[in-house]
Amino acid sequence: ELKVEQNPLFLSMQEGKNYTIYCNYSTTSDRLYWYRQDPGKSLESLFVLLSNGAVKQEGRLMASLDTKARLSTLHITAAVHDLSATYFCAVDPYLALGGTSYGKLTFGQGTILTVHP
Amino acid sequence: EAGVAQSPRYKIIEKRQSVAFWCNPISGHATLYWYQQILGQGPKLLIQFQNNGVVDDSQLPKDRFSAERLKGVDSTLKIQPAKLEDSAVYLCASSGILAAEQFFGPGTRLTVL
Repeated sequence: ELKVEQNPLFLSMQEGKNYTIYCNYSTTSDRLYWYRQDPGKSLESLFVLLSNGAVKQEGRLMASLDTKARLSTLHITAAVHDLSATYFCAVDPYLALGGTSYGKLTFGQGTILTVHP
Repeated sequence: EAGVAQSPRYKIIEKRQSVAFWCNPISGHATLYWYQQILGQGPKLLIQFQNNGVVDDSQLPKDRFSAERLKGVDSTLKIQPAKLEDSAVYLCASSGILAAEQFFGPGTRLTVL
């Protein structure tokens, strides 16, 4: 069974600080996704990482993927209050399923990020 | 481009009652997913459709849950009879070629009393 673990689960940051959220997973995969969820809202796609070494950046967020370490990181630079939300990583285990069956995402538990002034 | 549509947005029922949720995916998206998100957890995949066929329903509690996608577009998810532990947000998502990215709808928040 694929396990996806995020840490930390709770993150309280001051505005202007940097921090990293980690996503570890237990099976071979080179397809990983990051989503943002605001309270009471649905999931918004942030990043799609589709190869080893992939790095994507959008504003103050940067995501990377190391398939050998089975690790993805979401780095926050100079946090602002608007980044307060829950962040999920999700892994597509298609390689472990034979390489042709896409989309069966397993999500991490989520990291609740709160940015304080 | 219109997003994934779901209805209703909220539903409150008593245990042992039945309930149905509807999803309309993004136009042209062949793959449709239903997820269950319990409060404080990440979404869990219940069922995946490719066009109107089921690709994976291994995590769908088939004794009470059913889903269909007639004509390969809209989908309905039904629970019959509902249990207290079914209280959750039910999310529908769709994706295009090779499921490179899934787009989620607003969800239906179900409360079972």
